[in-house]
Amino acid sequence: EIVLTQSPGTLSLSPGERATLSCRASQSVSSNLLAWYQQRPGQAPGLLIYGASSRATGIPDRFSGSGSGTDFTLTISRLEPEDFAVYYCQQYGSSPKWTFGQGTKVEIK
Amino acid sequence: QVQLQESGPGLVKPSETLSLTCTVSGGSISSDYWSWIRQPPGKGLEYIGYIYYSGTSDYNPSLKSRVTMSVDTSKNQFSLKLTSVTATDTAVYHCARVKDYGDSGWYFDLWGRGTLVTVSS
Repeated sequence: EIVLTQSPGTLSLSPGERATLSCRASQSVSSNLLAWYQQRPGQAPGLLIYGASSRATGIPDRFSGSGSGTDFTLTISRLEPEDFAVYYCQQYGSSPKWTFGQGTKVEIK
Repeated sequence: QVQLQESGPGLVKPSETLSLTCTVSGGSISSDYWSWIRQPPGKGLEYIGYIYYSGTSDYNPSLKSRVTMSVDTSKNQFSLKLTSVTATDTAVYHCARVKDYGDSGWYFDLWGRGTLVTVSS
């Protein structure tokens, strides 16, 4: 099983600042089959990024994903008030078919 | 647009079976793969399994011995059964649609709001 470790656990930033979230895999993620999800309080998660760097439908371009192999990054270029949430990375393909990281909370400083 | 809604008991006794249903509205259940994902209170997400309308399924090996999923195309619903539950099965259970992004993989592009199931006597 591929274990995904996200860091930091919590990121305290102000609106307008840049957020950089890390996701490290215990072994190489095949063909960069990695996604990022956003979960606002009391809501279901929503898909942001798939295939490591492709934005899902309707996702603004301030969100970007990068990385390969075992190291992946989600960057939010300028934080908007609605971006303060928990973010999860997820890998696809290795048994179990999908595994998630433990999440990074982006909170208002 | 397509929406998902989970339903089922919010309280289940230890050693009993958890049963949940997800109703798909605004679209056909026969066109996609469908999944269950759970989230213990204050914790992260865990994939439980997925099913296709034909009955093809895949379960997380950690839960496989206790999980059964099924589809009812006449009602546009799919269901989850988890047997021999314990307190560690307490979680918000989400149903979700699996979308095929080709070479970029399969991901959960649409989620239900989730339903909290508490395992307690």
